[in-house]
Amino acid sequence: DGGITQSPKYLFRKEGQNVTLSCEQNLNHDAMYWYRQDPGQGLRLIYYSQIVNDFQKGDIAEGYSVSREKKESFPLTVTSAQKNPTAFYLCASSIAWSTTSGGQFFGPGTRLTVL
Amino acid sequence: GIQVEQSPPDLILQEGANSTLRCNFSDSVNNLQWFHQNPWGQLINLFYIPSGTKQNGRLSATTVATERYSLLYISSSQTTDSGVYFCAVDNQGGKLIFGQGTELSVKP
Repeated sequence: DGGITQSPKYLFRKEGQNVTLSCEQNLNHDAMYWYRQDPGQGLRLIYYSQIVNDFQKGDIAEGYSVSREKKESFPLTVTSAQKNPTAFYLCASSIAWSTTSGGQFFGPGTRLTVL
Repeated sequence: GIQVEQSPPDLILQEGANSTLRCNFSDSVNNLQWFHQNPWGQLINLFYIPSGTKQNGRLSATTVATERYSLLYISSSQTTDSGVYFCAVDNQGGKLIFGQGTELSVKP
């Protein structure tokens, strides 16, 4: 069953703690992405990776970090430096970093709440 | 950067009605996608449509790239169509820029 999985579905964190969100895909896609969604808003790009062992900052990368050691995995760490981390986080992938790749496909998301 | 505007922001329909959602963008694009976000937050791909017209069941979409807009048509709406519809575009290789969405509520 091909797709994108994210875990956990809900995550609660105390202020000052780092937390890592998991994203895995078995679609054999080269490119992967992390987005953040705030209530009533569209999605904003945090980080993206065009290929394994490479990643680039998106529009709102401050306070976040990523790694891409395996093609199928793109974990996102929300650090204590992120001032407003409570949000809905969505991971996506696409066949390639290309405008003709057929578009991006999304996982089910992780809701992070900072207590 | 490119701007994406969706209209209307909110829409309430009676089950069985038809609707048209609009997406305007401020620059030429290489990719345009329509998504449906269900009440649980899942973003479901509806169309990958940088130009032309596509249909999938009760849904169809048209993008007129030269005039910088796209339309999503929903016919014979059902309560399961409720949720937020997003348009997203890119003109820089792979970075999607999302509109603010249209929140659709279909009443039985």
